[in-house]
Amino acid sequence: DVKVTQSSRYLVKRTGEKVFLECVQDMDHENMFWYRQDPGLGLRLIYFSYDVKMKEKGDIPEGYSVSREKKERFSLILESASTNQTSMYLCASSLGRTGFEAFFGQGTRLTVV
Amino acid sequence: GQQLNQSPQSMFIQEGEDVSMNCTSSSIFNTWLWYKQDPGEGPVLLIALYKAGELTSNGRLTAQFGITRKDSFLNISASIPSDVGIYFCAGPPHFGNEKLTFGTGTRLTIIP
Repeated sequence: DVKVTQSSRYLVKRTGEKVFLECVQDMDHENMFWYRQDPGLGLRLIYFSYDVKMKEKGDIPEGYSVSREKKERFSLILESASTNQTSMYLCASSLGRTGFEAFFGQGTRLTVV
Repeated sequence: GQQLNQSPQSMFIQEGEDVSMNCTSSSIFNTWLWYKQDPGEGPVLLIALYKAGELTSNGRLTAQFGITRKDSFLNISASIPSDVGIYFCAGPPHFGNEKLTFGTGTRLTIIP
């Protein structure tokens, strides 16, 4: 079974802090994703990576950056956390090219106070 | 970005009832995926559809890839309490595009 693991289930951070959300997958998948989930808005793509050190902006990249130094690890960075970034963050991975199906981690619920 | 429209937004049903939900797009999709999210967890893939008209089952779940390729349907028969959650449709918005667009979700609640 594919396993996608996010480093924290719950985080509370202060406004202005730099926040790192970590995600690791164990199936040698090419693609990794960060989504944000808010009530009534579904899942919105923040950033996508299709290879090590390669990234593409999603629909809502403002206020976020990402890092993929190793194939199995994809980090989401909030440069200066704000209260409107309070949300559920979901990491996912997919095989790439021949496999679109994305497999998700358990989610990180981030609260910015 | 492109959005998928899901309906209904929420459903309140009694245990044992059948459930139907759908997902529509303004453009053609080549793959449709259905996910379920339990409270406090990440979404889990239920069914994947790859061909227009395809009908696929997974236990009590049945999903169909619409003939127009702009819609998909998910049915759950004889609902049970563990069916509670949010159901999402998803798909890659363009051929060869590996990013997934997600619907806004259908929240299913079972009334005791």
